[in-house]
Amino acid sequence: AQSVTQPDIHITVSEGASLELRCNYSYGATPYLFWYVQSPGQGLQLLLKYFSGDTLVQGIKGFEAEFKRSQSSFNLRKPSVHWSDAAEYFCAVGEGGNKLTFGTGTQLKVEL
Amino acid sequence: DVKVTQSSRYLVKRTGEKVFLECVQDMDHENMFWYRQDPGLGLRLIYFSYDVKMKEKGDIPEGYSVSREKKERFSLILESASTNQTSMYLCASRRAGARGEKLFFGSGTQLSVL
Repeated sequence: AQSVTQPDIHITVSEGASLELRCNYSYGATPYLFWYVQSPGQGLQLLLKYFSGDTLVQGIKGFEAEFKRSQSSFNLRKPSVHWSDAAEYFCAVGEGGNKLTFGTGTQLKVEL
Repeated sequence: DVKVTQSSRYLVKRTGEKVFLECVQDMDHENMFWYRQDPGLGLRLIYFSYDVKMKEKGDIPEGYSVSREKKERFSLILESASTNQTSMYLCASRRAGARGEKLFFGSGTQLSVL
């Protein structure tokens, strides 16, 4: 069965600092991988996704993620964090059919 | 702008009540989903529907049922609410087809069962 692990429950960074959120997955075939963001009081919004091709994918709001098959990882990065990036971030993996499995989320706090 | 609308933002119900959570999407999407979100557990799939009157159980369907009589509307039903169903409920929709299609989420319904 597929699974997603986000090892960091909470992360705090200073505004302007770089960010990396970790995501590891377990899936037998070629995975479809996603990062979603949830701002307070909102539903989830897609940041970026990977399913084939270039292993470095660009998303909205200046985020990027790199797929590393050898490490079963899909880490999210941003070179310079803004206070408005404070939110909860979810990694997800899609299997065949309709099912999408989400990680437990990483809560990002940005210090001014 | 595309929209997934959940009928209530906050809901308070009593144990044993029958509870209906409504979700409407305006994108003509075939697939609709109900997730439950709990701190430390992330999102867990309760049910999804791939077409009108069609449904499949997700990971945690016990205590829930669903109804999809029209394409744009997907209802989650708690037959007899219990305190352990206190949670944030998120509805989502997407086009049918490849599994790379993105989900569009509603803003969620925070349900408290007393």
